[in-house]
Amino acid sequence: GAVVSQHPSWVICKSGTSVKIECRSLDFQATTMFWYRQFPKQSLMLMATSNEGSKATYEQGVEKDKFLINHASLTLSTLTVTSAHPEDSSFYICSARDVQDRASYNEQFFGPGTRLTVL
Amino acid sequence: GNSVTQMEGPVTLSEEAFLTINCTYTATGYPSLFWYVQYPGEGLQLLLKATKADDKGSNKGFEATYRKETTSFHLEKGSVQVSDSAVYFCALWMDSSYKLIFGSGTRLLVRP
Repeated sequence: GAVVSQHPSWVICKSGTSVKIECRSLDFQATTMFWYRQFPKQSLMLMATSNEGSKATYEQGVEKDKFLINHASLTLSTLTVTSAHPEDSSFYICSARDVQDRASYNEQFFGPGTRLTVL
Repeated sequence: GNSVTQMEGPVTLSEEAFLTINCTYTATGYPSLFWYVQYPGEGLQLLLKATKADDKGSNKGFEATYRKETTSFHLEKGSVQVSDSAVYFCALWMDSSYKLIFGSGTRLLVRP
């Protein structure tokens, strides 16, 4: 149980275009999902916390107009990188919490990640 | 603020060697502690966790004990395998901040 998927697993796009990344909880309801960014050989940097039915909470220094987050249902959150540029190239990882499972309520389940390359 | 410090890698070991990856934390309150593993090109997988002092998390031969007195959560394995080669992240979770805070990660390379 507690599987999180991401789509696509990798994407290459031209500079100036927008890219949408989906994060789904497959077998549980996730009221909260998290979006991270990871640079090569570095740790994960939390970008934003996404709550179902409300606005995302962005970490300091993350441009909310650049990285649009929508959490429209209990199983789906999307991250849209708008007007992407080469510096946005990175590995984006989402995670979700299954708050209904008391045994794992303080765990986060991670998706497999999406590698974005902007040319 | 809350933070996690891990030993720098890479750590290179021969197969069947003993592994220790050090992790210490700073937190106001009582965090839950985690070790995650990341294989190349993949997301993170939970390896083990401990939610209170003196708890020992264990999984797949890995162990870590939540030591409040030394604010540590060191990862150990008695005999590593080539398949254990990955990056290991120590992390803490505080309900008050609602964030998972990661260490910098330690790359482990196990040679046959």
